[in-house]
Amino acid sequence: DVKVTQSSRYLVKRTGEKVFLECVQDMDHENMFWYRQDPGLGLRLIYFSYDVKMKEKGDIPEGYSVSREKKERFSLILESASTNQTSMYLCASTRSGGTDTQYFGPGTRLTVL
Amino acid sequence: GQQVMQIPQYQHVQEGEDFTTYCNSSTTLSNIQWYKQRPGGHPVFLIQLVKSGEVKKQKRLTFQFGEAKKNSSLHITATQTTDVGTYFCAGAAGNNRKLIWGLGTSLGVNP
Repeated sequence: DVKVTQSSRYLVKRTGEKVFLECVQDMDHENMFWYRQDPGLGLRLIYFSYDVKMKEKGDIPEGYSVSREKKERFSLILESASTNQTSMYLCASTRSGGTDTQYFGPGTRLTVL
Repeated sequence: GQQVMQIPQYQHVQEGEDFTTYCNSSTTLSNIQWYKQRPGGHPVFLIQLVKSGEVKKQKRLTFQFGEAKKNSSLHITATQTTDVGTYFCAGAAGNNRKLIWGLGTSLGVNP
């Protein structure tokens, strides 16, 4: 069974703080994704990575950066958190192609005060 | 840009009634996937459809992919309270390396 874990289930940060969200998958998947989910807006892709040290912008990359130093780990970084980044953040991975079946982590609910 | 429209946005039914959600793409899809997200949970893969006109069943759930590969539907027969959640469709199109997600249909079931 594929397992995708995220570093925190709930996180509260202050405006201007640097925030790290970490995601780890244990199935040697090539591709990893970061989404944010807001009511009425569905799943919006922030960044994805198709290989170690490779990244590609999704639909809403502004205010975010990512890091993938190891195949199993994909980090999302908020350089200076703002209140409009309060959201549910979901990590996902796929075995090969970016349009392959996506396996999601449990999500991190981030609140920025 | 490429879009997948999903309707309805919300639906509440009485337990035992049927439910259908529809996805329509602005472009031809190579495949379409369906996911279910329970309240407080994360999206979980249900099924993938690849062929034109394909129909697949999982117990009370019936999935269809249109002949033109631009639309799809998920039909639940005789809903149960365990069906509560948000159902998402997500399509793959052309050389795009990422899925195009619908906004989801939130299903409520009154016991």
